[in-house]
Amino acid sequence: GAGVSQSPSNKVTEKGKDVELRCDPISGHTALYWYRQRLGQGLEFLIYFQGNSAPDKSGLPSDRFSAERTGESVSTLTIQRTQQEDSAVYLCASSKGLAGVNEQFFGPGTRLTVL
Amino acid sequence: AQSVTQLGSHVSVSEGALVLLRCNYSSSVPPYLFWYVQYPNQGLQLLLKYTTGATLVKGINGFEAEFKKSETSFHLTKPSAHMSDAAEYFCAVSSGSGNTGKLIFGQGTTLQVKP
Repeated sequence: GAGVSQSPSNKVTEKGKDVELRCDPISGHTALYWYRQRLGQGLEFLIYFQGNSAPDKSGLPSDRFSAERTGESVSTLTIQRTQQEDSAVYLCASSKGLAGVNEQFFGPGTRLTVL
Repeated sequence: AQSVTQLGSHVSVSEGALVLLRCNYSSSVPPYLFWYVQYPNQGLQLLLKYTTGATLVKGINGFEAEFKKSETSFHLTKPSAHMSDAAEYFCAVSSGSGNTGKLIFGQGTTLQVKP
């Protein structure tokens, strides 16, 4: 079956522009996570969805970042007024039910470069 | 709060030698512990995980890790390194029951395998 997919794979934008990053989780996976990986660093948690609700948004770094999920499926991470420090690889993961006991499956990521 | 420290951002071993990647964690609740591997230009793949039960866990590709509560450690080992093991390795922790399943990652360790 298909894994987690993300689009675009690469995005180059100018400072101040808005960007949307898309994640298509594995079908039937109710939990969805966004992480950010800056160059040479580990992954930072951004937001968690259970179904279409986001009970944990604690990792979003500023109010320029938002995310939504619809149909208990696709999720979009939006970054408004991008800054150079937003440059990173944005990874999406999904799992059946609650992760921990259930494995999180990661997508290939979207590499965002803000000029 | 939970945290993960991976000792050594770069580890270099000869092919056939023992691989030891160190991970220490901090958690106020019983942790779930994970090792992920990221091959160049690929997404993260789960190597192994500890949730409950046996403290020595075996994963894919001959890797294993031992949960040592007294040392708050979860070091990753492989008896004999192969060239194909060259990759970046991430240790991660999440809390147990009642949590969102979000993963807290270490900074990563790049494993180099020399012929």
